[in-house]
Amino acid sequence: GAGVSQSPSNKVTEKGKDVELRCDPISGHTALYWYRQSLGQGLEFLIYFQGNSAPDKSGLPSDRFSAERTGGSVSTLTIQRTQQEDSAVYLCASSGDYYNEQFFGPGTRLTVL
Amino acid sequence: AQSVSQHNHHVILSEAASLELGCNYSYGGTVNLFWYVQYPGQHLQLLLKYFSGDPLVKGIKGFEAEFIKSKFSFNLRKPSVQWSDTAEYFCAVNADNAGNMLTFGGGTRLMVKP
Repeated sequence: GAGVSQSPSNKVTEKGKDVELRCDPISGHTALYWYRQSLGQGLEFLIYFQGNSAPDKSGLPSDRFSAERTGGSVSTLTIQRTQQEDSAVYLCASSGDYYNEQFFGPGTRLTVL
Repeated sequence: AQSVSQHNHHVILSEAASLELGCNYSYGGTVNLFWYVQYPGQHLQLLLKYFSGDPLVKGIKGFEAEFIKSKFSFNLRKPSVQWSDTAEYFCAVNADNAGNMLTFGGGTRLMVKP
């Protein structure tokens, strides 16, 4: 497809379990971003990948959160030992030009019981 | 760190009314500015953007925004709203000291009554 895709669209997990969220950016886009959208916190930046450079992890809320981007394309966001406060919609975006117009995916709604 | 404020959290308008949504940011350097919209059940979409040049920018669906540097503002306007404009609107800023990350405002929920 032409847009950013994310999977799964919904994920329900139990507290303490690990989860992996996937993002497929727009083909050819060099930059990939993860954000989190939660009630009361709005949209928060988590992590940013640009080409082969080291990722900007400044937005990750704790060391339970990590992300990788393989081959400069697909990215996986991993949350270890999930907590109820991790419940949110996790959004992925990609951009391909200097002006940083970011295109967003539909998100993954994570619910931690 | 920069921050973005959207002072109107909920706005209710009747069709054909004029719209102005406020957005203020706190950063004195160079910024790129964006308005995104999220229609019910859909993902974030870009409405318009400002990088440089004419401070009055026009976007899709009749929306426009004006960058006023002295006021650190980037308010969104539309002369006549439609029921289909019911959505949540987010202002976002990319500051030149923040890499490429976007800092978002808290969003404004707009409801347009038919």
